[in-house]
Amino acid sequence: EAGVVQSPRYKIIEKKQPVAFWCNPISGHNTLYWYRQNLGQGPELLIRYENEEAVDDSQLPKDRFSAERLKGVDSTLKIQPAELGDSAVYLCASSFVGVSYEQYFGPGTRLTVT
Amino acid sequence: AQKITQTQPGMFVQEKEAVTLDCTYDTSDPSYGLFWYKQPSSGEMIFLIYQGSYDQQNATEGRYSLNFQKARKSANLVISASQLGDSAMYFCAMREGGDYKLSFGAGTTVTVRA
Repeated sequence: EAGVVQSPRYKIIEKKQPVAFWCNPISGHNTLYWYRQNLGQGPELLIRYENEEAVDDSQLPKDRFSAERLKGVDSTLKIQPAELGDSAVYLCASSFVGVSYEQYFGPGTRLTVT
Repeated sequence: AQKITQTQPGMFVQEKEAVTLDCTYDTSDPSYGLFWYKQPSSGEMIFLIYQGSYDQQNATEGRYSLNFQKARKSANLVISASQLGDSAMYFCAMREGGDYKLSFGAGTTVTVRA
């Protein structure tokens, strides 16, 4: 069974530039999560989708961050414009809500903003 | 207030020995779940073990066991017979009530010595 796929793995951009991250969850998983992990810290939830619906986006900085999950499968997280403080690892996870609480994580995208 | 506290930033353990990683949590919800994840240098978060607040027995998964002390609000991870491949960052996390959002601790780095 394929795991959660994320791309790109690494991204270096200059501040004020836009950037986008892509995530493909495990097949059949109805819930998708985006987390941000700052250096030396645990991940923090940015947004959670159940199918196409964003059910928890309270921690998403909506002035510059946006996300979408079209057709309830793949998801894209965008930052526009990026700031120096956005440098972090962006992790995508998926789970099958109603069956298990376990979340399966992808390898993450390491973003560096210069 | 911090929901998850991991007080050990780093630990060294000799190969084949056991190691205990501390985790304390804070919640007023009677229904909650505790997770441990491993994050090697590759970046992917790997699920290790889960304990529900109503589970009567401590969870075990192979060489991993969770020492759940509800009254003390602690959920320590025990890794038995450490292997070199166990060297990684370990995160304790919690979900509360019916929420699927995970709150993570700051993590503990484990280094296994040959």
